[in-house]
Amino acid sequence: QKEVEQDPGPLSVPEGAIVSLNCTYSNSAFQYFMWYRQYSRKGPELLMYTYSSGNKEDGRFTAQVDKSSKYISLFIRDSQPSDSATYLCARVSGGGADGLTFGKGTHLIIQP
Amino acid sequence: EAQVTQNPRYLITVTGKKLTVTCSQNMNHEYMSWYRQDPGLGLRQIYYSMNVEVTDKGDVPEGYKVSRKEKRNFPLILESPSPNQTSLYFCASRGQGAGEKLFFGSGTQLSVL
Repeated sequence: QKEVEQDPGPLSVPEGAIVSLNCTYSNSAFQYFMWYRQYSRKGPELLMYTYSSGNKEDGRFTAQVDKSSKYISLFIRDSQPSDSATYLCARVSGGGADGLTFGKGTHLIIQP
Repeated sequence: EAQVTQNPRYLITVTGKKLTVTCSQNMNHEYMSWYRQDPGLGLRQIYYSMNVEVTDKGDVPEGYKVSRKEKRNFPLILESPSPNQTSLYFCASRGQGAGEKLFFGSGTQLSVL
């Protein structure tokens, strides 16, 4: 079982809709998660990070972690065509030298 | 401007011809890393470096070499490229903590014929 799993999509929604992007993780010891956004032919960029439980909000974006179900969610309100991208969730290693383990990403399309 | 610079952006080569992809960062970051990204497989880490002269294998190191002689540079070397190394490659850097923001380069699209 992969450590972090995402539905690859594509997920296509109309402009203005609320988008929900989800990941599941396997190891309940994971405490720290990140969301990266990747536009086509570009490197990923950090969008948000969140600790093990609760919500974190930044503008139109909300990151949520549900420890009981091992579920990570990213919500986008008032979605815009410029939000069309691939969204990668990642867990931060709890210790040692390495950094991140990424999910495979969900491709999101916002239709004008 | 804080950035990670990779070169070249696109590269087409033939099997067995040694190549180097350069990576440089201007943020004085200790940690640097190389990833490859393939459809259906996502981002996979090749090698990483915690500091100068300190490198370690990631998840898919076979067929690759790296070196970290200077803090700002972390080249990726393919001694004898094969077609299964055709991929989109990203270099990345961050500060010392595992929870630090990871800065990515713009990517190198490599095709091995």
